Amino acid sequence: EAGVAQSPRYKIIEKRQSVAFWCNPISGHATLYWYQQILGQGPKLLIQFQNNGVVDDSQLPKDRFSAERLKGVDSTLKIQPAKLEDSAVYLCASTQASLYEQYFGPGTRLTVT
Amino acid sequence: QKEVEQDPGPLSVPEGAIVSLNCTYSNSAFQYFMWYRQYSRKGPELLMYTYSSGNKEDGRFTAQVDKSSKYISLFIRDSQPSDSATYLCAMSYSGNTPLVFGKGTRLSVIA
Repeated sequence: EAGVAQSPRYKIIEKRQSVAFWCNPISGHATLYWYQQILGQGPKLLIQFQNNGVVDDSQLPKDRFSAERLKGVDSTLKIQPAKLEDSAVYLCASTQASLYEQYFGPGTRLTVT
Repeated sequence: QKEVEQDPGPLSVPEGAIVSLNCTYSNSAFQYFMWYRQYSRKGPELLMYTYSSGNKEDGRFTAQVDKSSKYISLFIRDSQPSDSATYLCAMSYSGNTPLVFGKGTRLSVIA
């Protein structure tokens, strides 16, 4: 079974630029999460999707972050404009509905200069 | 007070030692308790899972949950250099809900 795929793996941008990350969850997983992991911290939830609907986006900085999951499969996370404090690893995770185990992708490491 | 507290370490032990990792939490509504292992530049992978209070053993790993004290532990017996990683505790209110993570403890097992 293929795991959660994410791209790009690394991205370096200047502040005020925009950036987009892509996630392809495990086939059949209805629930998809985006987490932000700042260096030395645990992952923090940004947004949760169930199929193509948003379940929880209470911690998403909506003035600059946006996310979508068209057709209930792949998802993209966008930051526009980026700030220095957005430097982090962005992790995508997926799970089957009603199950606890979340499978994580390798993450996208973003550096904002 | 943070929802989940975890000592970030780093923790360095000799090969073969017993390792004890711990987390405390403040929200009594948490029902699912997990330990994830994260190698450098990789995503977290689930190591152990416990529902509510109790113990669970899997090979060299034992997870304990004490809900009355709001305290969870992970024990690693006969630690190996391949166990060197960051260990993250995580909790959730129910299945299929977001995880709340601790900061992670960085462990090094020295051969």
